[in-house]
Amino acid sequence: DAKTTQPNSMESNEEEPVHLPCNHSTISGTDYIHWYRQLPSQGPEYVIHGLTSNVNNRMASLAIAEDRKSSTLILHRATLRDAAVYYCILTPYSGAGSYQLTFGKGTKLSVIP
Amino acid sequence: NAGVTQTPKFRVLKTGQSMTLLCAQDMNHEYMYWYRQDPGMGLRLIHYSVGEGTTAKGEVPDGYNVSRLKKQNFLLGLESAAPSQTSVYFCASRPEAPNTEAFFGQGTRLTVV
Repeated sequence: DAKTTQPNSMESNEEEPVHLPCNHSTISGTDYIHWYRQLPSQGPEYVIHGLTSNVNNRMASLAIAEDRKSSTLILHRATLRDAAVYYCILTPYSGAGSYQLTFGKGTKLSVIP
Repeated sequence: NAGVTQTPKFRVLKTGQSMTLLCAQDMNHEYMYWYRQDPGMGLRLIHYSVGEGTTAKGEVPDGYNVSRLKKQNFLLGLESAAPSQTSVYFCASRPEAPNTEAFFGQGTRLTVV
């Protein structure tokens, strides 16, 4: 299965944009890219997902490189509530791997007031 | 809708005792998951289910059993608890498709003494 690589931690100032990178150089053509985040003492929550095109929703934007070997989660204006661990996850379109959501260690985002 | 509900939220067990954690979802999702999360770590998949009556092993299944007798419920059992099973347990569910959002419960904090 394709793996992802994320920085262990990042810092951002409040009200500034945040770009969280994820490398997935062994991604296959049918792997979806998912992002989840986990606020302190809570279960993970879905942020966004995409396949090839950039995606936007009310929480964030997902920018996917043209070769799909990397992606970036963009928080347009960080708030204190965005301090969390952010996970980048690949999910195959089909096969046994498509059933699972495999979490790595993620990136711990700290937001400075 | 309640979403994904885990019962209990906290529990202390003595070594060798048994217990069952209940996960209930009201979204008619096909897939359900049990994860454990140790301090400072990401989530590790214990067992999962792709439909009523089916279960499969994840990354760390030893010492746990599961059952999915009803579509809305996924039970995680510890037959003989060990201190190494002290962890926070999360349940999740999602529809049957690789590009869908997973919903997580709030977690069960289990301590085995």
